[in-house]
Order: sequence, then structure tokens, then C-alpha cells
Amino acid sequence: DSGVTQTPKHLITATGQRVTLRCSPRSGDLSVYWYQQSLDQGLQFLIQYYNGEERAKGNILERFSAQQFPDLHSELNLSSLELGDSALYFCASSPSPGHEQYFGPGTRLTVT
Amino acid sequence: AQSVTQLGSHVSVSEGALVLLRCNYSSSVPPYLFWYVQYPNQGLQLLLKYTSAATLVKGINGFEAEFKKSETSFHLTKPSAHMSDAAEYFCAVSDRGSSNTGKLIFGQGTTLQVKP
Repeated sequence: DSGVTQTPKHLITATGQRVTLRCSPRSGDLSVYWYQQSLDQGLQFLIQYYNGEERAKGNILERFSAQQFPDLHSELNLSSLELGDSALYFCASSPSPGHEQYFGPGTRLTVT
Repeated sequence: AQSVTQLGSHVSVSEGALVLLRCNYSSSVPPYLFWYVQYPNQGLQLLLKYTSAATLVKGINGFEAEFKKSETSFHLTKPSAHMSDAAEYFCAVSDRGSSNTGKLIFGQGTTLQVKP
């Protein structure tokens, strides 16, 4: 158990819908990262927050957004979903940028 | 820009044999390097990390990796494979450029099969 929690574990939804994925970092970790894992793209960095502020953006679509709340949990919002958004979405946390990251169990999103 | 290349998408070894998973990196700054393991339907678990201290790094479950700057490599080894080692392994480099975000850039992964 890494100490990072993600909910829900599985999500099945239809094209065009909007979903929210939730992540709680390890106690004391200020930095939260979101990654997408798919068969064709592998593991891709999406976005990073540090102590409530956006720190870096990767290959994140404009339909996707995220935020980190004062209690340091983070949410990833995916809207206007397409079939190609089906993937595993991981959250990871670290004490600060550059330290090792600890991954949650992931949310498997299936868009039908 | 930083990148990671894992040589061999599938590696098959017999139980008790040496495990060698190859990783080469590209980085314009001294890199921080990591190996993660992913078991089926699970998240990524940190095996070991290199952060510019000792070049031979020992991790969990008997794995170790050696940082070789001249070869830009960070190969993962284990002297004797166990059936429970069957999983997917990812090498990653941390973004330590001017932005120093710490985001991980992953290789494509290597699936390790262990035969009885």
C-alpha cells in the first residue's frame, strides 16, 4: 500500500459525458501528479500540482482539467469523453518535486 | 529534453536465472532515475532510485541497478528470478531541467515472463 488513494477504481461511461477522478496523496506530500496509461501511448504525464498550484502541464487535452484543494487532495475532470479516452489514470504524490513518486492503484476509465 | 528507452518489450527467463532489463536515458542535466514495477491490475510500485549518490543502487525484492554515465544506462538486474517477479517493469527519468517539475518520463515498459 503506497498510501495514495484513488476513487473510483472503475468507471464506465458513455461518449460525451463528464467524469471526475479523485486522488488523496500520502500524508505530508505536497506534490500531486496525474498520468494516463494506455496501450498505444504508454505512461504519459498529464499535469502536476504543488501545494495547491499548478506546476506543470504535459500532454493534457483541453477537455481535461484538474485542481488541488487546500487539504491537498486532487481531482481530475474529464469532459466530452471520447472512446480514445479509455485508459488507466494514475495519481502519484511526492514530498516535493524531484523526490520519488508513490502511485495510487489507478482508476480504469472505459468510455462506450 | 529527457527521454528513456527500454530495450526489449518482452524478456523471458527461467526461474532461478539472471534477470537483466535494459534502460538507456538521455538527459541534459544529471539525471534522477527510477525503476517501477507494475503487477497486473495494480498501480506502479517503486523498486529503486538513483539520485546521484552511489552508482550501484539496491532496491526491494532483490533487485539492483547500476548507473553508468559513460553508457547513459541504468539497467535493472536480479541474480535469480522468481515466479513472483513476472510483471511489467518501467524505467523513468525525472524532469530536473530548468522547470524542475519532477515529472516522470517513462520508457515503454518491459514485460518480464518467468518460466518454471
